Amino acid sequence: AQKVTQAQTEISVVEKEDVTLDCVYETRDTTYYLFWYKQPPSGELVFLIRRNSFDEQNEISGRYSWNFQKSTSSFNFTITASQVVDSAVYFCALSEGGVYNQGGKLIFGQGTELSVKP
Amino acid sequence: NAGVTQTPKFQVLKTGQSMTLQCAQDMNHEYMSWYRQDPGMGLRLIHYSVGAGITDQGEVPNGYNVSRSTTEDFPLRLLSAAPSQTSVYFCASSYSTSLAGGSSYNEQFFGPGTRLTVL
Repeated sequence: AQKVTQAQTEISVVEKEDVTLDCVYETRDTTYYLFWYKQPPSGELVFLIRRNSFDEQNEISGRYSWNFQKSTSSFNFTITASQVVDSAVYFCALSEGGVYNQGGKLIFGQGTELSVKP
Repeated sequence: NAGVTQTPKFQVLKTGQSMTLQCAQDMNHEYMSWYRQDPGMGLRLIHYSVGAGITDQGEVPNGYNVSRSTTEDFPLRLLSAAPSQTSVYFCASSYSTSLAGGSSYNEQFFGPGTRLTVL
């Protein structure tokens, strides 16, 4: 079965704190893709990162970093020195590839609402 | 490029009415999808398409129809609206990249959403 779990429904931090958003996934495929999206209060969905199952390198982009661990089926997202503008709902998502050819399907987690207070 | 466009932005329907949510993309993407977003449930896939003429059901297809006659357009039809269909609807498109031995799937580009209320 395919499933994405974001156990943290809401997180509240004070500006400049570091925060990690957890994502655990289940998949039947050996080829798959993981994504993070941000949904600010304005409602649009903003793509943050894509990872394929063959690339376990961690990635850093400015204050954002991602930790992908196949051994624990996790793809966690850390914001360093959080800012008020980081307040949003963050979604982790899974797309299976390979023989299932599921390029048009994303399975989303329930989302984590991050509130960064000044 | 306009990207992914959706119309209308807002819609109020009465129970039993039908309507079509429009979605178009100008990026020549082969994949298109419809999702609904409800509080606390993330986004759930309604229908998706892997190319013109090919559609399939997602997680929550009941009460919705789709067709894909062109690469650009992927309308979502509500046949007889029900209050349970009150939601925010997002359309998305994406593409694959050919690699030796297969394809690589890329991120989905989302439209701005349609907020639908069924009374």
